Amino acid sequence: DAGVTQSPTHLIKTRGQQVTLRCSPKSGHDTVSWYQQALGQGPQFIFQYYEEEERQRGNFPDRFSGHQFPNYSSELNVNALLLGDSALYLCASSLVDRVYNEQFFGPGTRLTVL
Amino acid sequence: GNSVTQMEGPVTLSEEAFLTINCTYTATGYPSLFWYVQYPGEGLQLLLKATKADDKGSNKGFEATYRKETTSFHLEKGSVQVSDSAVYFCALSDSGGFKTIFGAGTRLFVKA
Repeated sequence: DAGVTQSPTHLIKTRGQQVTLRCSPKSGHDTVSWYQQALGQGPQFIFQYYEEEERQRGNFPDRFSGHQFPNYSSELNVNALLLGDSALYLCASSLVDRVYNEQFFGPGTRLTVL
Repeated sequence: GNSVTQMEGPVTLSEEAFLTINCTYTATGYPSLFWYVQYPGEGLQLLLKATKADDKGSNKGFEATYRKETTSFHLEKGSVQVSDSAVYFCALSDSGGFKTIFGAGTRLFVKA
């Protein structure tokens, strides 16, 4: 049973560029969440997708956008990159569950903005 | 809003020592509580969870009890091993299940 996969593993961009990160959820999961983890910090919630729509969003600017496909995979897009966007981007998948939200995380994509 | 506060690290222990990492939370309603572990170069792994007051989560010798009266979820292990060296994150998820809020993490070093 494949877990959550993310691509690419590492990425280097320059300021002002745009980037797309990809995530495939754990088999059977229908919800994908994205998190930004700056060095030495805990992950910060960016947004969550379910049924191809954004369900909730954290305190991130509109430069951060996403998409979920019919097969539940997801993309995170960041436009007009800033140095401060350098971080580990984590994707997590889960099942819609009103009781609690157990999430399974991928290994992350390390983004470096120069 | 909801938040999680955990003790700052790093925590350095000798092998077989007792571990406690403190975690307190602020939340409305009845959140679920989690401990995640992040080994060097890897993503987050769920270590244990508790979904209601007085629940005790346990896994791999680690334990944490959901204390609503003190809004705490402290992580404990009776005898740590070198392989337990990692960063530990306390987290909560609200009853809506939309997002998980993480603490800043506590780095644990275990010396042989």
